Amino acid sequence: AQTVTQSQPEMSVQEAETVTLSCTYDTSENNYYLFWYKQPPSRQMILVIRQEAYKQQNATENRFSVNFQKAAKSFSLKISDSQLGDTAMYFCAFMRGNSGGYQKVTFGTGTKLQVIP
Amino acid sequence: DGGITQSPKYLFRKEGQNVTLSCEQNLNHDAMYWYRQDPGQGLRLIYYSQIVNDFQKGDIAEGYSVSREKKESFPLTVTSAQKNPTAFYLCASSIGASNTGELFFGEGSRLTVL
Repeated sequence: AQTVTQSQPEMSVQEAETVTLSCTYDTSENNYYLFWYKQPPSRQMILVIRQEAYKQQNATENRFSVNFQKAAKSFSLKISDSQLGDTAMYFCAFMRGNSGGYQKVTFGTGTKLQVIP
Repeated sequence: DGGITQSPKYLFRKEGQNVTLSCEQNLNHDAMYWYRQDPGQGLRLIYYSQIVNDFQKGDIAEGYSVSREKKESFPLTVTSAQKNPTAFYLCASSIGASNTGELFFGEGSRLTVL
């Protein structure tokens, strides 16, 4: 079974600064996807960034980037130039690569990020 | 606007009562999911459905039931058999079972048992 671990329950960052959220996972699979989801206080969760395990290049979406270390099974999220709107719960998630049929998405326990003005 | 609508947003229930949470999507997605969110535990899968008239148990299905009579709708019933139903419930959808994993979420329903 796959597991996803987020060891930082809460973090804070000053506005305009950079923060990194940690995530480790455990799997014996070689083909999989990793995700970071954001859940703002309004509660609708949205996808922030996605990484395919077969791609060595780290995914980037504007101010959000990941550091994907496949051998170490680490998948951290870096938020640059933090904004007040980045205040949210962030969930790391894992999904096996599709080999036909349903693939379960496993979520970590989340990191609550507070951006301080 | 396309999206997922959950209702009600807040719900109070007396012990021993069943309650049904609504989830409707207009994204034309085949797959739909129900998750339970508790503090410090992340999201746990209750039920999922890959196609109309079919659904499967997730990790914590005991005390819950679902139906999938229409593609757009995936209601969740929290029965009196659920020992600790107070939680935040999230409905989600995805294009299909064969997808790259992106889930689209509703705003959630908070159930409180009095």
